[in-house]
Amino acid sequence: EAGVAQSPRYKIIEKRQSVAFWCNPISGHATLYWYQQILGQGPKLLIQFQNNGVVDDSQLPKDRFSAERLKGVDSTLKIQPAKLEDSAVYLCATSGQANYGYTFGSGTRLTVV
Amino acid sequence: AQSVTQLDSQVPVFEEAPVELRCNYSSSVSVYLFWYVQYPNQGLQLLLKYLSGSTLVKGINGFEAEFNKSQTSFHLRKPSVHISDTAEYFCAVGSSNTGKLIFGQGTTLQVKP
Repeated sequence: EAGVAQSPRYKIIEKRQSVAFWCNPISGHATLYWYQQILGQGPKLLIQFQNNGVVDDSQLPKDRFSAERLKGVDSTLKIQPAKLEDSAVYLCATSGQANYGYTFGSGTRLTVV
Repeated sequence: AQSVTQLDSQVPVFEEAPVELRCNYSSSVSVYLFWYVQYPNQGLQLLLKYLSGSTLVKGINGFEAEFNKSQTSFHLRKPSVHISDTAEYFCAVGSSNTGKLIFGQGTTLQVKP
């Protein structure tokens, strides 16, 4: 089966600019997650979708971050405006069955300068 | 609340030597435990998982882990490492009701020739 696709792979923006990341999950995977991985740290959950509904967005900085999952398939994560501390790798993961582990995409490395 | 502690930030080891990467978790409910590996500039790949049953779990690339409920540990082991095992390793605990994973800070395994 095809893996989780993410784009772009790399992005460099200036602070206060906006940026968007895209994720295409494995076909049929109902659950989709966005994680933020800051250099030297483990991934931290930002938001969890079940189909096109939000299950958990308690760790999402909603003043600047937003995410959507249209039609329960592809998802986009947006940051507006970006701050220096948003520099990180943004990982998308999907799961077909809860608690069976995720499949991760390769991530988008964001550098805010 | 759940949490994961990886006890070593870096583990240097010579090629063909055995290795153990330590992981302790905290949870008030039944847990599912995972180990992921991350190679440079790549996403996370599932090494192995414990859901139930036998406490000794075998994964890919010759890795295994043992679930110890009394010590709340899930240490990862390999009897003989290769240069290609050099990577970042993450332990994660899964929520039994949401499927959300909480990751540890990661352990860098450095295999030397």
